[in-house]
Amino acid sequence: GQNIDQPTEMTATEGAIVQINCTYQTSGFNGLFWYQQHAGEAPTFLSYNVLDGLEEKGRFSSFLSRSKGYSYLLLKELQMKDSASYLCAVSDSNYQLIWGAGTKLIIKP
Amino acid sequence: ETGVTQTPRHLVMGMTNKKSLKCEQHLGHNAMYWYKQSAKKPLELMFVYSLEERVENNSVPSRFSPECPNSSHLFLHLHTLQPEDSALYLCASSPVRGGTDTQYFGPGTRLTVL
Repeated sequence: GQNIDQPTEMTATEGAIVQINCTYQTSGFNGLFWYQQHAGEAPTFLSYNVLDGLEEKGRFSSFLSRSKGYSYLLLKELQMKDSASYLCAVSDSNYQLIWGAGTKLIIKP
Repeated sequence: ETGVTQTPRHLVMGMTNKKSLKCEQHLGHNAMYWYKQSAKKPLELMFVYSLEERVENNSVPSRFSPECPNSSHLFLHLHTLQPEDSALYLCASSPVRGGTDTQYFGPGTRLTVL
């Protein structure tokens, strides 16, 4: 079967760095997405990785290792507004998105 | 308005009621999606429409009935729902179905079935 694993919840301190991991087992791979979802709001696109390596976008970076079926989202200089759920999703061989259950990130002052 | 909009934002209904959820996208996209989001569970893809044609129906119970009258509008008609159908229902769109395009989501309808 197809599976995406990510931690249920993480806690970090304002101004610090946090890494949210995602491992996947899918039939084929056509890229990995990270979305951010604030409580009661729509998921919004953060990043897309299809090749191995690190993609940096401001305070957020996303890393992919296809051989390990692994990705992480790195958030630097954490701000209170970064408190949200972070969803990992993989596009499989049929270009269908397989979603993880999301990681709820709690930022403390 | 821009992006993807959904109405209503909140809905409480009894098991014998009939209601409809509405989604509208202002992005000129050709693909639209309905998802169900339950607490601590992955997003569940329910239906996919491409150019107004239903192309996926992921074993969704018949009490959920989608309708796509044009490429900008998507409805989800609900009837005789069960309490376990209570969830956040999200609509999304993308330029084309599949591919590697980003999906753009609406804010969702929080549905409670009593």
